[in-house]
Amino acid sequence: AQSVTQLGSHVSVSEGALVLLRCNYSSSVPPYLFWYVQYPNQGLQLLLKYTSAATLVKGINGFEAEFKKSETSFHLTKPSAHMSDAAEYFCAVIRKGNNNDMRFGAGTRLTVKP
Amino acid sequence: GAVVSQHPSRVICKSGTSVKIECRSLDFQATTMFWYRQFPKKSLMLMATSNEGSKATYEQGVEKDKFLINHASLTLSTLTVTSAHPEDSSFYICSARVATTQTFNEQFFGPGTRLTVL
Repeated sequence: AQSVTQLGSHVSVSEGALVLLRCNYSSSVPPYLFWYVQYPNQGLQLLLKYTSAATLVKGINGFEAEFKKSETSFHLTKPSAHMSDAAEYFCAVIRKGNNNDMRFGAGTRLTVKP
Repeated sequence: GAVVSQHPSRVICKSGTSVKIECRSLDFQATTMFWYRQFPKKSLMLMATSNEGSKATYEQGVEKDKFLINHASLTLSTLTVTSAHPEDSSFYICSARVATTQTFNEQFFGPGTRLTVL
């Protein structure tokens, strides 16, 4: 069964520093992977997605993620953190099957210090 | 494009009453809609999958008689929390999947509904 694991429930960086949020997947077939951001009391906003095309995926707000099959990883990065990046980030995978539903990781809260 | 709305955005009700939450795809047709529940500082947990014109498929542990889901059209799904109790207080988020012939069909998420049961 397809699933994702996010390492680190809370990540804190300084403004201008590199952001690295980790996500590992388990899947017996090539997965479809996603990163979403959620601001307080709001829904989910798609940052980027991997759907078996280019392994380096560029998303919105300067974020990107690289699909590494050998490491079963899909880590999210941003070269320089901004205060507005502070939010909850979720990695997700589509479970290929009858419903192709989406399963989420536990989430990582990103804090950006001035 | 691909906007999903939810109504209401916030609702407070008394214990024992029923609450209906609407999920609409505004500019596309969605053959499948999903309902998620999110507890504070937690991840989204899939409650059920709703296909237009058929009965919803509930995840293990979700009471189908308590969380009634109706997907009567390609643009509307409703979640009714029956006889709500304080433990039902949560953030409920729906998503809708575009009806296409592609193998990969993206989901689009609503803004969520905050339910508080007193």
